[in-house]
Amino acid sequence: DQQVKQNSPSLSVQEGRISILNCDYTNSMFDYFLWYKKYPAEGPTFLISISSIKDKNEDGRFTVFLNKSAKHLSLHIVPSQPGDSAVYFCAASATASGTYKYIFGTGTRLKVLA
Amino acid sequence: EPEVTQTPSHQVTQMGQEVILRCVPISNHLYFYWYRQILGQKVEFLVSFYNNEISEKSEIFDDQFSVERPDGSNFTLKIRSTKLEDSAMYFCASSWGFSGNTIYFGEGSWLTVV
Repeated sequence: DQQVKQNSPSLSVQEGRISILNCDYTNSMFDYFLWYKKYPAEGPTFLISISSIKDKNEDGRFTVFLNKSAKHLSLHIVPSQPGDSAVYFCAASATASGTYKYIFGTGTRLKVLA
Repeated sequence: EPEVTQTPSHQVTQMGQEVILRCVPISNHLYFYWYRQILGQKVEFLVSFYNNEISEKSEIFDDQFSVERPDGSNFTLKIRSTKLEDSAMYFCASSWGFSGNTIYFGEGSWLTVV
């Protein structure tokens, strides 16, 4: 049961351009979403979050957009830098339903080309 | 910046042996978690822990697994009788609250069962 999907396993972007990473979910109870960056053999590093009461959250080069009707969120990185090359995971939770777990997507490997 | 620390970073164990993975969560956090990632797969939730008891656990977290907060700072995951399929990177995480709170991950403990 794949409740959180990242349908693009990989993405390549030129340095300085925009990177757009997508995430789809099926559970309409999800109300809080997180994006993480992960390097090999390291733990996930938190990037940005969004609550379902918002449709956009911005933090420096990172912006997350949430489209609840489409059950879709996206992470925009502008401008992309070579150091952004990593695997990006979205994670979702139905916090209002009393659960204490985040469901992770399968990840998208971003490669930023210099 | 406060961080979640995990030990050991890598452990090799014989099948059937007991393993204890240790974590020191961020000091003022109240919620603690274990996740794991089998090589090449997604990050999977194992268990959440709050107020000295398990809040939620996944199907993976069977009777072979247990968690404990033996003192005010450590949080441990014990696997009683390891199986080959337990080989994975195990991540400890913590958060101050749950709803609307970010969870912060440690660097992971890589467990290899031979």
